Amino acid sequence: DGGITQSPKYLFRKEGQNVTLSCEQNLNHDAMYWYRQDPGQGLRLIYYSQIVNDFQKGDIAEGYSVSREKKESFPLTVTSAQKNPTAFYLCASSNRPGIGETQYFGPGTRLLVL
Amino acid sequence: AQKVTQAQTEISVVEKEDVTLDCVYETRDTTYYLFWYKQPPSGELVFLIRRNSFDEQNEISGRYSWNFQKSTSSFNFTITASQVVDSAVYFCASDTGRRALTFGSGTRLQVQP
Repeated sequence: DGGITQSPKYLFRKEGQNVTLSCEQNLNHDAMYWYRQDPGQGLRLIYYSQIVNDFQKGDIAEGYSVSREKKESFPLTVTSAQKNPTAFYLCASSNRPGIGETQYFGPGTRLLVL
Repeated sequence: AQKVTQAQTEISVVEKEDVTLDCVYETRDTTYYLFWYKQPPSGELVFLIRRNSFDEQNEISGRYSWNFQKSTSSFNFTITASQVVDSAVYFCASDTGRRALTFGSGTRLQVQP
């Protein structure tokens, strides 16, 4: 079945630790996105990638980093510089970059700070 | 700047009632798209509908219907004869092609049996 997978489902981070969230899609989509969702709020864009080896900052990129070495993979690293990382992280993809393309979402990763 | 407002934070209805979720958007662009997503308790966002700014026809899909009115910058979502399985958070979002989707803050719908 085609879709987007995210792992792990839950992730715990210690102070000063970098952690990486995985996002994989087998939809052959060009564009991929990372969003952050805080309780009672909408989704905010962290990073997006329109094509392999290219990515752009979103609205809240500070303290995060990404890579896009393969079309199907778009991992997100939450660095120690992100002082308030506790949130629900959602990865999405769309067939092409550009206006009007429907984004499809993965099941999400919930990050908690110990 | 783009903005999407969902003024209803939480709505509670009894099963079989009809319910309308409001969405108001702001944009200066003439070409844009609007979306609705459903987020059940599992957390994954499920795509429901996409509408472009040049198509103001209302749409019906089963118990779901959408009313798009450019004159009031609204794209409201109605569930007819609600069911317990409709309980979720519903997000409205806009896309003007600048980067990615701009989401509203969501409306939590609780359908009581």
